[in-house]
Amino acid sequence: AQTVTQSQPEMSVQEAETVTLSCTYDTSESDYYLFWYKQPPSRQMILVIRQEAYKQQNATENRFSVNFQKAAKSFSLKISDSQLGDAAMYFCAYRRGEDTNAGKSTFGDGTTLTVKP
Amino acid sequence: DVKVTQSSRYLVKRTGEKVFLECVQDMDHENMFWYRQDPGLGLRLIYFSYDVKMKEKGDIPEGYSVSREKKERFSLILESASTNQTSMYLCASSQAAVYEQYFGPGTRLTVT
Repeated sequence: AQTVTQSQPEMSVQEAETVTLSCTYDTSESDYYLFWYKQPPSRQMILVIRQEAYKQQNATENRFSVNFQKAAKSFSLKISDSQLGDAAMYFCAYRRGEDTNAGKSTFGDGTTLTVKP
Repeated sequence: DVKVTQSSRYLVKRTGEKVFLECVQDMDHENMFWYRQDPGLGLRLIYFSYDVKMKEKGDIPEGYSVSREKKERFSLILESASTNQTSMYLCASSQAAVYEQYFGPGTRLTVT
């Protein structure tokens, strides 16, 4: 069974600085997808960024980028120029690439990010 | 934009009651999911469905059942609510296996 581990229950960052959230996963599959989701306080969870395992290039979305190390099974999220609106719980998620099991994902326990003004 | 709605944001029920949580998505997604979210435990999958009338157990199905009579609607049923089912319940949908999930706002259920 796949597992996803987020080793940092809480992180904090000063506004305008950079922070990296860690995620490791365990799988025997070669084809899979990785996601970072953001859940702001009392608001809906939304997708931040997605990475296909077959792509060597790290995904980037504006101030958000990932460091995908396939061999090490590591998928960290870097947030640059942190803003107060980045304060949220962040979840790392894994999904198999095959179209089976309705694409269900395995989620980590989450990292709560605090942004200090 | 994809919209996933849940019938209630907050719900208080008594032990032993039958509880229905409803989820509706408006983007014709094949897949729908029910999770519960508890502090320190992340999201745990209760049930999911990949087509109308099709359902599969997730990681923690005990004490729950689901119904999907129409493609856009996925209901979670607590046959006899217990205090250990007090939690935040999140519904999600996705277009296909390779795409991300879209989440509803959640229902915070308290069973007293």
